[in-house]
Amino acid sequence: RKEVEQDPGPFNVPEGATVAFNCTYSNSASQSFFWYRQDCRKEPKLLMSVYSSGNEDGRFTAQLNRASQYISLLIRDSKLSDSATYLCVVKRGGKLIFGQGTELSVKP
Amino acid sequence: NAGVTQTPKFRILKIGQSMTLQCTQDMNHNYMYWYRQDPGMGLKLIYYSVGAGITDKGEVPNGYNVSRSTTEDFPLRLELAAPSQTSVYFCASSYLGWETQYFGPGTRLLVL
Repeated sequence: RKEVEQDPGPFNVPEGATVAFNCTYSNSASQSFFWYRQDCRKEPKLLMSVYSSGNEDGRFTAQLNRASQYISLLIRDSKLSDSATYLCVVKRGGKLIFGQGTELSVKP
Repeated sequence: NAGVTQTPKFRILKIGQSMTLQCTQDMNHNYMYWYRQDPGMGLKLIYYSVGAGITDKGEVPNGYNVSRSTTEDFPLRLELAAPSQTSVYFCASSYLGWETQYFGPGTRLLVL
């Protein structure tokens, strides 16, 4: 079993749609949680950290449920520019553990 | 600041050849990392370093070697290249290891 597992993609949605990505992690010693964004053939970049209380950054909302070991990312009012692969990332010790990513394609 | 730079951007190797992937950061970060990403997969940690002179294995270290003689540089050495090492290699750095990791643009390696 992979330590970090994400919804298989791709997600194909129209502009303006709301889309949610799910992620589960298996190691309860995981300390911090993140969503990274990776554009095609580019390096990953931090999208947002995920806190137990939930946090929002514009159209993006991230939630963490430590009891269920579950992380989510909600994107509202999708834009064409949101098309990318979204990586769920867990920090354990000094290392980041990456999920395989969920690809999002936003269509006009 | 350039951030994290990697060279080369792309390389084709023949089976059995060796090469060094270069990584340099100008942010005075203590932690540096090497990852590989296979198509449709997440990143897997190859080696990491918590400071000059200190390196440690990650999840997939076999077939690779690293050194960290300076804070800025963290080269990754491939000895006896194999087709299974065809991948995109990302170098990253962070200040204390618990903060955001900053990634370089990647090196695409094809072993034939």
